[in-house]
Amino acid sequence: AQSVTQLDSQVPVFEEAPVELRCNYSSSVSVYLFWYVQYPNQGLQLLLKYLSGSTLVESINGFEAEFNKSQTSFHLRKPSVHISDTAEYFCAVSEFGSARQLTFGSGTQLTVLP
Amino acid sequence: NAGVTQTPKFQVLKTGQSMTLQCAQDMNHNSMYWYRQDPGMGLRLIYYSASEGTTDKGEVPNGYNVSRLNKREFSLRLESAAPSQTSVYFCASSDGQGYGYTFGSGTRLTVV
Repeated sequence: AQSVTQLDSQVPVFEEAPVELRCNYSSSVSVYLFWYVQYPNQGLQLLLKYLSGSTLVESINGFEAEFNKSQTSFHLRKPSVHISDTAEYFCAVSEFGSARQLTFGSGTQLTVLP
Repeated sequence: NAGVTQTPKFQVLKTGQSMTLQCAQDMNHNSMYWYRQDPGMGLRLIYYSASEGTTDKGEVPNGYNVSRLNKREFSLRLESAAPSQTSVYFCASSDGQGYGYTFGSGTRLTVV
């Protein structure tokens, strides 16, 4: 069975600073990987995903994540954060052939400080 | 707008009461899911339906039942609510091809 570990529950960072949110997964088979973002009192929105191909994937708002198979990681990065990036971020994994069920990490609260 | 619609958005129940959370999607997705979200625990799968006519238990099914009414609708029922079921409940759907889920906006349930 797959599992996801988000190593940091809270990440405070100043505006315009870089940030990395860490995610490690465990699975015995090939996986799809996702990052979701949740703004206060809202549902989850897909931020980016890795299905196959290039191991570096990007979102439209400047986030990127790199799939590292040897380290079983899928860390999320942004070179310069904005106040509006304050939200909770969830890493998720789906195994091939598992009816595409997503398993989520416990989440990382990113707080961008002025 | 296309998406997943959940009702109600908020609900307060007394212990022992029953209720049904409704979910509908208009994206012609085959698969639908119910998750609960609790602080520090991420989202945990309660039940899912891989296709119309099928349902399966997830990680935390105890105390819940589901019905896949048709391809669009997937409801979650609490037969006898308990305080431990206080949570935010999310419905989601997917095309089953591994391209991620579309989530509803959630139902915030409090059981007193």
